[in-house]
Amino acid sequence: EPEVTQTPSHQVTQMGQEVILRCVPISNHLYFYWYRQILGQKVEFLVSFYNNEISEKSEIFDDQFSVERPDGSNFTLKIRSTKLEDSAMYFCASSPASDTQYFGPGTRLTVL
Amino acid sequence: QKEVEQNSGPLSVPEGAIASLNCTYSDRVSQSFFWYRQYSGKSPELIMSIYSNGDKEDGRFTAQLNKASQYVSLLIRDSQPSDSATYLCATTGGAGGTSYGKLTFGQGTILTVHP
Repeated sequence: EPEVTQTPSHQVTQMGQEVILRCVPISNHLYFYWYRQILGQKVEFLVSFYNNEISEKSEIFDDQFSVERPDGSNFTLKIRSTKLEDSAMYFCASSPASDTQYFGPGTRLTVL
Repeated sequence: QKEVEQNSGPLSVPEGAIASLNCTYSDRVSQSFFWYRQYSGKSPELIMSIYSNGDKEDGRFTAQLNKASQYVSLLIRDSQPSDSATYLCATTGGAGGTSYGKLTFGQGTILTVHP
């Protein structure tokens, strides 16, 4: 069964550094998403991406964040200058039709 | 501000019993409703989706939706210890009819099934 994959599984970085989190969505899906979950808190929406552009973003998704689909398979989330409060699990999800979403295993980001 | 509310639990049931998980939502125009299961340290795993009022059954799971009451529930029959996890309620769809599927999640209910 096809699944969403994410790399790396764990990323440790120093405050102020740039990180890129990578995702490979399910191949015939058209809608892509990033969510994050701070330890012990709700899963929070960051951004949705459709037709090669951002379709919706949350207040969390400020100028420090960007997303890109550099080729036909990868979907990336970049954080330009990480802060301590960016430490969280980051989940990529994809959907065939902006509805039922399937989540990847997540990347645990630790900012020191 | 759209809100999805769940009792955080923990909800403890004996093996073989029915577990009942509840969720309310504030946005009256929410269109789609989902239940995800999340094991500790893992990602959300889709269990059920429901879009119209009434019940929807899939194996041991039954989702119930009441849009008038803004209430959605999940019943797990014949609960197993492997069902022990956090159950997340999520909604999508909102005002204006424009939605690219942004999910709004509840806090989750911790379910423990003891042998």
